[in-house]
Amino acid sequence: GNSVTQMEGPVTLSEEAFLTINCTYTATGYPSLFWYVQYPGEGLQLLLKATKADDKGSNKGFEATYRKETTSFHLEKGSVQVSDSAVYFCALSNSGGYQKVTFGIGTKLQVIP
Amino acid sequence: NAGVTQTPKFQVLKTGQSMTLQCAQDMNHEYMSWYRQDPGMGLRLIHYSVGAGITDQGEVPNGYNVSRSTTEDFPLRLLSAAPSQTSVYFCASSPGRGNYGYTFGSGTRLTVV
Repeated sequence: GNSVTQMEGPVTLSEEAFLTINCTYTATGYPSLFWYVQYPGEGLQLLLKATKADDKGSNKGFEATYRKETTSFHLEKGSVQVSDSAVYFCALSNSGGYQKVTFGIGTKLQVIP
Repeated sequence: NAGVTQTPKFQVLKTGQSMTLQCAQDMNHEYMSWYRQDPGMGLRLIHYSVGAGITDQGEVPNGYNVSRSTTEDFPLRLLSAAPSQTSVYFCASSPGRGNYGYTFGSGTRLTVV
């Protein structure tokens, strides 16, 4: 079956530091890959996505590249802000029909001033 | 656009009580899903629907029922609450076929005592 692996954290960074959150996956076929963000007390929000190999998803300064050869979709941001403190979920879904989504356990990011 | 609306936001139940978590979306989305979020376990799919009148089980369906009589509404019923159902519940919707990602509600925090 499908699976997504990411570290739980917390990851603690100083403001303006470079962020990488690793995500690797196991899936059949050619899944679509997603990053969601959850701010305290809220639901998940779609941050970015990529639907085929070598695609780069980007939004709000975050980006991730779909690497089929390493089955990875690492999230990066060049300079984090305190407002980026949240839990980040990597996820995948297969194409065709109902898109059952498989989520990672979420990585908590804390950015300190 | 309200998006996905969940009610109530908080609920405390006694063991054995039943209740319904409400979910409504105003985006005319075809797909709707219920997830539960537990520490260290990410999100787990309870039930899902691919259209009005069509529902199916996810990973952890025991103790829960759903129905989808309209496109907009997808209530989740707890038949006889147990402490193991203490969790945060999220409803999510998606336009349908294609890799759009999901729009999540803000969640219901349920405690069963």
